[in-house]
Amino acid sequence: QVQLQESGPGLVKPSETLSLTCSVSGGAISGYYWIWIRQPPGKGLEWIGHIYYSGSTNYDPSLKSRVTISVDTSKNQFSLKLNSVTAADTAVYYCARGYSGAYGWFDSWGQGTLVTVS
Amino acid sequence: DIVMTQSPDSLAVSLGERATINCKSSQSVLYSSNKKNYLAWYKQKPGQLPKLLFYWASTRESGVPDRFSGSGSGTDFTLTISSLQAEDVAVYYCQQYYSIPLTFGGGTKVEIK
Repeated sequence: QVQLQESGPGLVKPSETLSLTCSVSGGAISGYYWIWIRQPPGKGLEWIGHIYYSGSTNYDPSLKSRVTISVDTSKNQFSLKLNSVTAADTAVYYCARGYSGAYGWFDSWGQGTLVTVS
Repeated sequence: DIVMTQSPDSLAVSLGERATINCKSSQSVLYSSNKKNYLAWYKQKPGQLPKLLFYWASTRESGVPDRFSGSGSGTDFTLTISSLQAEDVAVYYCQQYYSIPLTFGGGTKVEIK
């Protein structure tokens, strides 16, 4: 059973860069898409983007200019960087595994980490 | 972008009664070449991470009780809980994976009446 765990600062100042890492255990990072999703307090789920283990990426167009997702297969980790953050980026950030390719559902999720921009 | 609209926003159902949640997509998520609907359902209990319930609109994920069912095609989909249990109190989300950006519905909160 694959497990995912997010890590990173819980507080980021406005205009700075949010950086999170997702560590994958219990399964290979190869062969799957790896996803970042966020959930503002009291609101719904928002797909941020994904990366294939080979490094190809897709991002939500509304965030594309500020987002970078990268993967380190040697460490079984992938990462999210979101720059020029504002209070609107305050959210619980989840990492997840994408099943069935780039166009697929999310079958395993991390516990989520709250990032506050203030 | 495909907009996913769920209804109702919330519903209260008595224990043992049926709960029905609707999800409508702004364009069809039925892929003509394989006749599959690119739609998933998730359950999120308060303070917890989302859990996958269904994919391909009606394929139940392993371990999901059979009182849950998913149906629909094209642009209109339904998640049904045939006999509501206390542990079913949660917010339920639909998600399309037909096109990028992948998008979620706004969620439907299910409570006990």
